[in-house]
Amino acid sequence: ETGVTQTPRHLVMGMTNKKSLKCEQHLGHNAMYWYKQSAKKPLELMFVYNFKEQTENNSVPSRFSPECPNSSHLFLHLHTLQPEDSALYLCASSQATSGGAQSTDTQYFGPGTRLTVL
Amino acid sequence: AQSVTQPDIHITVSEGASLELRCNYSYGATPYLFWYVQSPGQGLQLLLKYFSGDTLVQGIKGFEAEFKRSQSSFNLRKPSVHWSDAAEYFCAVGAGADSNYQLIWGAGTKLIIKP
Repeated sequence: ETGVTQTPRHLVMGMTNKKSLKCEQHLGHNAMYWYKQSAKKPLELMFVYNFKEQTENNSVPSRFSPECPNSSHLFLHLHTLQPEDSALYLCASSQATSGGAQSTDTQYFGPGTRLTVL
Repeated sequence: AQSVTQPDIHITVSEGASLELRCNYSYGATPYLFWYVQSPGQGLQLLLKYFSGDTLVQGIKGFEAEFKRSQSSFNLRKPSVHWSDAAEYFCAVGAGADSNYQLIWGAGTKLIIKP
């Protein structure tokens, strides 16, 4: 595997379910991101991990819970979601300097998980 | 506050014709500017970026973009499109190296290629 992979590619879940999205990067990067992509809207940054430490939580509801066990893996745990949470969830990674991720860093994206909440 | 506007939701171009996708930004200082492309079923891929220097930037797949400070624009161009260029294109602005790492994204322009 190369680049950034995400599993599953598609997920349908009920509002009472618990599921997890997985992201793995094979690029040796040290920063990872979760984005939400809804139709006709700009990408929304949800979470950022620098060197496995969460450094950003953009007012994301607690029904989304990230986990970064190491610099290569990132999870997004989902529980009691709402239909408006249906979207494409994208994972990205970048190589940050010792000062942490910068907006000049090129981000490499996975193909996304298409989530549908019924 | 920073913002990015891509005025065209859809653009239809004939194969072999030239292309220009518009991007306007709002930011007080010199921005870092990016164009990404998202092919169907794929993640986003960086086409090109501008940080400083020559305002005409060359990217992959034959794309280029020109930074025009006076117009707060960073339009993407290609002289002759191919059917494989059909995708969604996103412009993004970075706040700067001494600021945070967040990119401000446009809503995207979907490029449709007519045979």
